[in-house]
Amino acid sequence: DAGVIQSPRHEVTEMGQEVTLRCKPISGHNSLFWYRQTMMRGLELLIYFNNNVPIDDSGMPEDRFSAKMPNASFSTLKIQPSEPRDSAVYFCASSLVASYQETQYFGPGTRLLVL
Amino acid sequence: ILNVEQSPQSLHVQEGDSTNFTCSFPSSNFYALHWYRWETAKSPEALFVMTLNGDEKKKGRISATLNTKEGYSYLYIKGSQPEDSATYLCAFNQAGTALIFGKGTTLSVSS
Repeated sequence: DAGVIQSPRHEVTEMGQEVTLRCKPISGHNSLFWYRQTMMRGLELLIYFNNNVPIDDSGMPEDRFSAKMPNASFSTLKIQPSEPRDSAVYFCASSLVASYQETQYFGPGTRLLVL
Repeated sequence: ILNVEQSPQSLHVQEGDSTNFTCSFPSSNFYALHWYRWETAKSPEALFVMTLNGDEKKKGRISATLNTKEGYSYLYIKGSQPEDSATYLCAFNQAGTALIFGKGTTLSVSS
């Protein structure tokens, strides 16, 4: 299996622009997680889907952030409008079943820079 | 506010040394404790998921123990090698909550 796939790997954009990050989980995995990693706050959960349904979005910072999972093999995280403080590495992870006792497999991340 | 503390923040050892670091977490309503290995410019790689008090897990030269009653886990590396250089993250959750990650311990192994 190719593992969790994320695109793009790097994104540089200007403040105010819309940014869309994409994730393809491992085939057969039912749970998908979006994380943000910053120097100040470390790795933080943004949102968690189980069977394509958002279960916990309490980590989504504000209305500028939205996430969708239209099917079992694809998810997007959108920031509109983007701000410089959104600059971070965004990771997607998937696990076989919906349990925090299951191993999560991380993608390579998208490094976002908002100027 | 739930918090996960890892110590030390960074560590530098010589090749062949054995080392260990600590992850501390709230002891109430424990559900799971994860250890990840994170190399620079790569993604976190799962090492262990531990769920029971007294759990001990081992993968090659790396092992981990868990004490849920006092709220800590130790990660041990025996005979450190340069390829062990990475940041080691632990993550914890209580029942019904998301994983909370520590800031990690960054290990550097010199040959």
